[in-house]
Amino acid sequence: DAKTTQPPSMDCAEGRAANLPCNHSTISGNEYVYWYRQIHSQGPQYIIHGLKNNETNEMASLIITEDRKSSTLILPHATLRDTAVYYCIVRSNQGGKLIFGQGTELSVKP
Amino acid sequence: EAGVTQSPTHLIKTRGQQVTLRCSPISGHTSVYWYQQALGLGLQFLLWYDEGEERNRGNFPPRFSGRQFPNYSSELNVNALELEDSALYLCASKKRASRSLNTEAFFGQGTRLTVV
Repeated sequence: DAKTTQPPSMDCAEGRAANLPCNHSTISGNEYVYWYRQIHSQGPQYIIHGLKNNETNEMASLIITEDRKSSTLILPHATLRDTAVYYCIVRSNQGGKLIFGQGTELSVKP
Repeated sequence: EAGVTQSPTHLIKTRGQQVTLRCSPISGHTSVYWYQQALGLGLQFLLWYDEGEERNRGNFPPRFSGRQFPNYSSELNVNALELEDSALYLCASKKRASRSLNTEAFFGQGTRLTVV
């Protein structure tokens, strides 16, 4: 599975959009980009995943560059409850384990 | 629909003892994953079970073992507990994937194990 690189921390003002970047320059053609978040030692929560098209659900949007070497998770209107560690993972849909990196610690501030 | 459930939620054991942690996957999910998250550290992959068989194993000593039952629930066993085994143990489940079916893993809330 390809490796991902994320900034260790980010701040965002409450009510503003939070844009979390992820680099995955070695991603291969059959690997998906998954995003999870973990709020203070709870179990990680699935957010969204995509292959090459941009995706949107009730939680977030995922923008994947045309060359698929990077992506951005967008939380359109961040709230204090969005404060968490956000993990970007690339994995084959046929593959097994999810390998978690260090993630980005997002702090949403009033 | 019930999510992934883990038991117990908290556990205190003495060094050298053995512990069994349990995980019930979401109905219809056939794969179960186990992760260890020590305090302040990231999630470390432990084990992956699918259809009753161990499919992959992380870089952990043999005293970490497990199994998956015919109903797809799973147990994680840790023998000869050491202080550094203190961690949050997380279980996740996933549907079997196919070429046309995208699947994602869903996590339980974990078991907090403290070894004293």
